[in-house]
Parts: sequence; C-alpha cells; structure tokens
Amino acid sequence: AQRVTQPEKLLSVFKGAPVELKCNYSYSGSPELFWYVQYSRQRLQLLLRHISRESIKGFTADLNKGETSFHLKKPFAQEEDSAMYYCALSRRDDKIIFGKGTRLHILP
Amino acid sequence: EAEVAQSPRYKITEKSQAVAFWCDPISGHATLYWYRQILGQGPELLVQFQDESVVDDSQLPKDRFSAERLKGVDSTLKIQPAELGDSAMYLCASSSPTAVSYNEQFFGPGTRLTVL
Repeated sequence: AQRVTQPEKLLSVFKGAPVELKCNYSYSGSPELFWYVQYSRQRLQLLLRHISRESIKGFTADLNKGETSFHLKKPFAQEEDSAMYYCALSRRDDKIIFGKGTRLHILP
Repeated sequence: EAEVAQSPRYKITEKSQAVAFWCDPISGHATLYWYRQILGQGPELLVQFQDESVVDDSQLPKDRFSAERLKGVDSTLKIQPAELGDSAMYLCASSSPTAVSYNEQFFGPGTRLTVL
C-alpha cells in the first residue's frame, strides 16, 4: 500500500538551531516526493520537490531510496519557518498522497 | 498572479441539509482535484477531473457526495444530506503538468464546513 508517514505531529526548535522534519514513504514504483507547507492563514503551497534538488528558503530534502525517506532539513531555523509541513508522494497517475503533517514551532 | 478561487470560505449547516462548494482553477489547468482535510490530518483526495471527465472518484462517498465540472473549467462539489462527520476543510487544487512544474498542485484557500 502507498503511504506517507510523518512520525512527529509537533516539532519545537529554538531559533538558530538545526531543523529536521522526518518523512518515510511506502511505494512500489519510483515515486516523486514533495514537501508542501502551510503558513498561518495562508493556503497550502509547494515548498520543494526532490527531482529539482533545489534549496528553498534554506530547506533541502534528499530522497533516500534505501531507507525510503525524504527528510526535510534546514541548518538554522528562523521564526518565519513556523508552519505546518506536509510530505507528499506523487504517483504516476498524478495523484498525490499526503502525510498527516508536522507542525514546526520555532521558539525565540 | 493566478490563483485557485473557492467559495464560500466558511459554511455552517445543519445535518441533513444540502451544501455546495465552488472552485475556479487557474486558467488553463486541465486537472482539478477536490480534497477533504479533517482537523489534524493531511488532505485526502475525493475526486480528480481531467478536463470535464472524472479520472478518479474512488474515495468519494457517492451516496451523498457528487462533483461536476461541466465545461471543464470550474467545478462544484455537493453534499446531500450533510452529516456531522462531514465537518472538515474542503480544498480544491489544480495542476497542469509540464516539464518545469511536474505535477505541482496549486491549492485554493479552502471551504471550512461545520455541520451542526
């Protein structure tokens, strides 16, 4: 079964500390992985996708097929990073399966 | 900048009543999605359209939910009759897969439904 697991519902990190939001997936084919973010009072939006190998707002994510993981990382947290983060898997038929989300709270 | 529009933003109804939500995707986006997001969960796909055709409605509770996209542009999601368990955020998204965007979905602000 296809599944995206985000083990942490809430992650609290001090400003300036490193951030790692965990994501594991289960998929029999070659998945496309994404991170979506929802800031307070804003709509859900794409943060980054694994195929582009880009860094957005200081965040990076590496697809580890051996561990079936796609953890989101940032070396130094900023207060504006506080948001809800969803890991997502895209299937060949364009459907996206979302994880339950992790709320990131940056402490001052 | 083009955005997905949804209305209403909030809807309060009593159980057994009918409700309808409207979505206008980004112009030119052929694929349209309706999701339901229960508090504390990630979005779950209800129905996917490609132009005016339903591609997937396997998770749509068809005894009470219906969705249409008659002209392949805007779409309506209806619930009749509403039940207490239908209280959730209903999200609409659209996409137009290209080599650049690769299936990036653009989301609307959502309609928050409360069933009393």
